[in-house]
Amino acid sequence: EDKVVQSPLSLVVHEGDTVTLNCSYEVTNFRSLLWYKQEKKAPTFLFMLTSSGIEKKSGRLSSILDKKELFSILNITATQTGDSAVYLCAAPGGSNYKLTFGKGTLLTVNP
Amino acid sequence: NAGVTQTPKFQVLKTGQSMTLQCAQDMNHNSMYWYRQDPGMGLRLIYYSASEGTTDKGEVPNGYNVSRLNKREFSLRLESAAPSQTSVYFCASRGTDSNTEAFFGQGTRLTVV
Repeated sequence: EDKVVQSPLSLVVHEGDTVTLNCSYEVTNFRSLLWYKQEKKAPTFLFMLTSSGIEKKSGRLSSILDKKELFSILNITATQTGDSAVYLCAAPGGSNYKLTFGKGTLLTVNP
Repeated sequence: NAGVTQTPKFQVLKTGQSMTLQCAQDMNHNSMYWYRQDPGMGLRLIYYSASEGTTDKGEVPNGYNVSRLNKREFSLRLESAAPSQTSVYFCASRGTDSNTEAFFGQGTRLTVV
């Protein structure tokens, strides 16, 4: 059965801190790993990673994939209160149709 | 461009009542999904549909049925609602031609009393 495991499950930091969120996966026929941010509504897409070692970057957020060790990290530098959210990772498995999510990391950034 | 549209946004049911959650997408996606989200549990897959005419069970299918009516629409039915089905439900769709992300509807907050 496909598995996506995120850690930590929750994290509290102060504004300006740098955080690293982890996502490990075990899926059949791995093709890609997806990161989403969820505030009080539907998840919004952040990154898709398909190749090992190639960093994807968007402003203060960056992410990288390690296909050998089966994990990905999401880094957020100089955190702001607006970064407070649940961060979800997901991987399509099997024949590329089934999309499995992890439990998410609840990030709280305090002023 | 509407993307993924879910209805209703909120619903309160009594135990034993039935209802159908509707989902439609206008992005010509093949794959569609129903998830439920409970506190601390992330998104758990209820059912998914790889293409029109096919549906498969996800992680938590018990108590639910689905219909992929056509390429655009994927509905989720609760035949006899139970308090354990109180949750936020999300529909999503995704293209499968290559590596693509999933797009989500705005969610349905369902309370079963």
